Amino acid sequence: GAVVSQHPSWVICKSGTSVKIECRSLDFQATTMFWYRQFPKQSLMLMATSNEGSKATYEQGVEKDKFLINHASLTLSTLTVTSAHPEDSSFYICSARGGSLDTQYFGPGTRLTVL
Amino acid sequence: GDSVTQMEGPVTLSEEAFLTINCTYTATGYPSLFWYVQYPGEGLQLLLKATKADDKGSNKGFEATYRKETTSFHLEKGSVQVSDSAVYFCALRSPDSNYQLIWGAGTKLIIKP
Repeated sequence: GAVVSQHPSWVICKSGTSVKIECRSLDFQATTMFWYRQFPKQSLMLMATSNEGSKATYEQGVEKDKFLINHASLTLSTLTVTSAHPEDSSFYICSARGGSLDTQYFGPGTRLTVL
Repeated sequence: GDSVTQMEGPVTLSEEAFLTINCTYTATGYPSLFWYVQYPGEGLQLLLKATKADDKGSNKGFEATYRKETTSFHLEKGSVQVSDSAVYFCALRSPDSNYQLIWGAGTKLIIKP
């Protein structure tokens, strides 16, 4: 079946630094990619939706200057958390929509810890 | 707006017990309905889905029927195993959105041997 990968799977960084998370669709072209944030014991919160070659659409309350999303190709999207702070510590999950069944496939997630 | 409500967890059952995780939704139009599962340490996986009223989705012994009259999509399994321990998410995809999934809060399922 279709596979979505994320890299890194976990990252620890110092407050004030920036972190880039990659999301790749490995065997299909993703027309749309989504970035979610998952808080402990809570559901997924959609952060933004991106289509290849165009600017991402951010959900209300998500700072676009802090969470930079680049959807450079049909198989790659990146999320950069700029000037990270401890409150940005979370589990970030990407998903990609596409493939023959036009289904949304999820990456394994990236655990970000900001010290 | 569209929303999904599912029963709070954790749900703790013994192996071979019958499982029901309730899910109800509010939506305009005719959404598609999904159950996703997240096993410990892994990403979300699509478990099953239904795209129209009265459809039954099934996979790995799990079933859910799209009930428009009760706006529900309850997840059931006749005999659970320890390996079913995971967090289960109910979700809908509204035809009025850009394929954005609307999520329930998730229900943690713990199966004891």
